[in-house]
Amino acid sequence: AQSVTQPDIHITVSEGASLELRCNYSYGATPYLFWYVQSPGQGLQLLLKYFSGDTLVQGIKGFEAEFKRSQSSFNLRKPSVHWSDAAEYFCVGGGITGTASKLTFGTGTRLQVTL
Amino acid sequence: EAGVTQSPTHLIKTRGQQATLRCSPISGHTSVYWYQQALGLGLQFLLWYDEGEERNRGNFPPRFSGRQFPNYSSELNVNALELEDSALYLCASSNAGVLTDTQYFGPGTRLTVL
Repeated sequence: AQSVTQPDIHITVSEGASLELRCNYSYGATPYLFWYVQSPGQGLQLLLKYFSGDTLVQGIKGFEAEFKRSQSSFNLRKPSVHWSDAAEYFCVGGGITGTASKLTFGTGTRLQVTL
Repeated sequence: EAGVTQSPTHLIKTRGQQATLRCSPISGHTSVYWYQQALGLGLQFLLWYDEGEERNRGNFPPRFSGRQFPNYSSELNVNALELEDSALYLCASSNAGVLTDTQYFGPGTRLTVL
């Protein structure tokens, strides 16, 4: 079965520190992978996506993610966190079941940024 | 360009009633997706409509239903409301129903069932 796991429910980092949010997936073939962010009171916004090609993907707001097939991981990174990055982050996997596409969301990681 | 809009923002119902939630996609988008974000359960895929047809359905009972109108806006109906239906319901739209298309999300409708 297709699944996406985010092992960390809650992470706290200091402003200016580096960040890595973990994501593991379980898909039969190469999945489509996304990271979305949900800020308080707002809808989800796409940070970046990976379909194929270069395994290091650059996104908006200075985020990047690396697809590692050997580890079934797609971790999100940012070299220096800003207080405005405090939000909930969702790793999302996409696959095709029959003729229908479907997204599977991880349970999310809530990021708290201390000043 | 206007984003995905949802109405109402908040909806309070009692158990057994019916709820209707509405979504307007980004202009030019033909696909609409519905998700339920319940506390502790994360985002769960509910329904996907494209060109007026239901294309895919998540693991939800038949009392969750919807439709897509000719202008591509969509409606989600939840019948015989139960307490556990209390959640944030998110709508997303995309250009076409393929995974390579980015889904753009609305702000959601918070449904509270008393």
